[in-house]
Amino acid sequence: TQLLEQSPQFLSIQEGENLTVYCNSSSVFSSLQWYRQEPGEGPVLLVTVVTGGEVKKLKRLTFQFGDARKDSSLHITAAQPGDTGLYLCAGALGGSGTYKYIFGTGTRLKVLA
Amino acid sequence: DAGVTQSPTHLIKTRGQHVTLRCSPISGHKSVSWYQQVLGQGPQFIFQYYEKEERGRGNFPDRFSARQFPNYSSELNVNALLLGDSALYLCASSLDLYNEQFFGPGTRLTVL
Repeated sequence: TQLLEQSPQFLSIQEGENLTVYCNSSSVFSSLQWYRQEPGEGPVLLVTVVTGGEVKKLKRLTFQFGDARKDSSLHITAAQPGDTGLYLCAGALGGSGTYKYIFGTGTRLKVLA
Repeated sequence: DAGVTQSPTHLIKTRGQHVTLRCSPISGHKSVSWYQQVLGQGPQFIFQYYEKEERGRGNFPDRFSARQFPNYSSELNVNALLLGDSALYLCASSLDLYNEQFFGPGTRLTVL
């Protein structure tokens, strides 16, 4: 069974603090996505990383894909209340014409003003 | 441009009934995937369709089935509903099998 474990599961921090969310697996992924989801809505894609060791930045968010393409991290600098939400990583497993996404367990972030 | 659309938004059914959920992908996208998200958990993969063919299946019972139409829209069918089927059902579309997925707002199914 392929699993993507995220840590921490819950995080409550003050506005302005930094944080890192981790996504780990024993599987090798062809790509990995990070999403943010608000209650009652579908996940919204933040970034896709494809190459081992790749680093992508999206304003105050920095995403890194592990060298072996088994893990990833999301770092938020100077968190703001608008960053509050459920953060999900999803790894893409595929080949030979079949394909599927494995979602992580999620990290619920709350940023207090 | 319209994103992924799903209908209905909410649905209430009783045990043993059947339900059909619908999804329209982003224009130009040929792949549609279905996910089940139980409260407090990440989405669980159910199916992926590409060019009207099933290309991926998660660990769900045969009560769950889906299909993709020539216009690339899709339906998810669930028979003999159980209480445990209550969840947010998400549809995602992508250009093809290997591109990133974009999600719709979901259908909230409640089974009483």
